[in-house]
Amino acid sequence: GEDVEQSLFLSVREGDSSVINCTYTDSSSTYLYWYKQEPGAGLQLLTYIFSNMDMKQDQRLTVLLNKKDKHLSLRIADTQTGDSAIYFCAESTQDDYKLSFGAGTTVTVRA
Amino acid sequence: DTGVSQNPRHKITKRGQNVTFRCDPISEHNRLYWYRQTLGQGPEFLTYFQNEAQLEKSRLLSDRFSAERPKGSFSTLEIQRTEQGDSAMYLCASSLSEQPQHFGDGTRLSIL
Repeated sequence: GEDVEQSLFLSVREGDSSVINCTYTDSSSTYLYWYKQEPGAGLQLLTYIFSNMDMKQDQRLTVLLNKKDKHLSLRIADTQTGDSAIYFCAESTQDDYKLSFGAGTTVTVRA
Repeated sequence: DTGVSQNPRHKITKRGQNVTFRCDPISEHNRLYWYRQTLGQGPEFLTYFQNEAQLEKSRLLSDRFSAERPKGSFSTLEIQRTEQGDSAMYLCASSLSEQPQHFGDGTRLSIL
């Protein structure tokens, strides 16, 4: 949506780290999410972070949140071919249950 | 499989026909959401239920669209007099209150 912006494409070599960036405009955002979508499939929840946190790590995934700049990033360590997909950043507010999504970043992992 | 289930996976219909999609949420989830996703875009919110009550409808949901969740379990989304612009992936998600939403694999609608 207009409130969440992402770069459209990222190409990364297998084994390298991927960093996907997202900016949002709603200062009242409470939760920020990363979802993964593979071709023809729905969205898989990867991880999420509460707005009072600045970092969250979950195995190969690291989420960084800069609330002042309204910037969110997802780092994938040791990127594998199975990580090729579209990654969506989304936000929701405490009073608003619906998710607002960015347009998605297509990640291509090359050998 | 205890995830969100959507049927059918694909629907092809002629312009002007009515279509109905079904969503079965994760069993203990009290909230159910419908989103629409067009090619190259992220999902856009359509409507939301808490138990059987429909609490909000987006501007995107014209009068031709109706959604129900009669017993607070499964939900249906009906589109009447389909138009070319209705071609999209329709995604259902469910959650337990404010917990993160989990999505189904969607129903892809193609209007001929």
